[in-house]
Amino acid sequence: GENVEQHPSTLSVQEGDSAVIKCTYSDSASNYFPWYKQELGKRPQLIIDIRSNVGEKKDQRIAVTLNKTAKHFSLHITETQPEDSAVYFCAAKGLKEDKLVFGAGTILRVKS
Amino acid sequence: DGGITQSPKYLFRKEGQNVTLSCEQNLNHDAMYWYRQDPGQGLRLIYYSQIVNDFQKGDIAEGYSVSREKKESFPLTVTSAQKNPTAFYLCASSPQMDSYEQYFGPGTRLTVT
Repeated sequence: GENVEQHPSTLSVQEGDSAVIKCTYSDSASNYFPWYKQELGKRPQLIIDIRSNVGEKKDQRIAVTLNKTAKHFSLHITETQPEDSAVYFCAAKGLKEDKLVFGAGTILRVKS
Repeated sequence: DGGITQSPKYLFRKEGQNVTLSCEQNLNHDAMYWYRQDPGQGLRLIYYSQIVNDFQKGDIAEGYSVSREKKESFPLTVTSAQKNPTAFYLCASSPQMDSYEQYFGPGTRLTVT
């Protein structure tokens, strides 16, 4: 089955700097890759997603890139702000699967 | 806030007791999921259901049971067979048709002593 690895496990950046979180997946047939943000004590919420027919997607300060050949995808946050501090999870869904497989999460701390 | 609710928010039980966690959604979503979240770990899938009266085991189903008698409801029972039941439990739903996005409930923190 699908396996998703996420790095780094923790990331500290200075306010205004960029943050990059990377995930690799094992199933070459996976076709959907979402990113979720979970603030302390709250539920995970989708912040951006990408499908396998697209290489990059942007939404204001957030972008996701997908490299199908290398089987990895990354979350890029530019001009980080203190409210970006949270745990970020990547996930992947196989073409024939009905479920997401999540990475272990990255704790992002934005220092002001 | 998404139309998916979980109750209660905090639950305390004695070891050896079964406990049922509630999950309800009014989003008319076909699929529903239960995850377990432990500190420093990702979301691990316990059970999921694509349609009423049908469900599948996830990666860590041992010691848990579910039912899906109604589209809106997907309760999770943590049985006494679950060796380490203390955790944060998240329920999610997804429309599946045209969108794979999962909408999460607020979670239930279960403590078993």
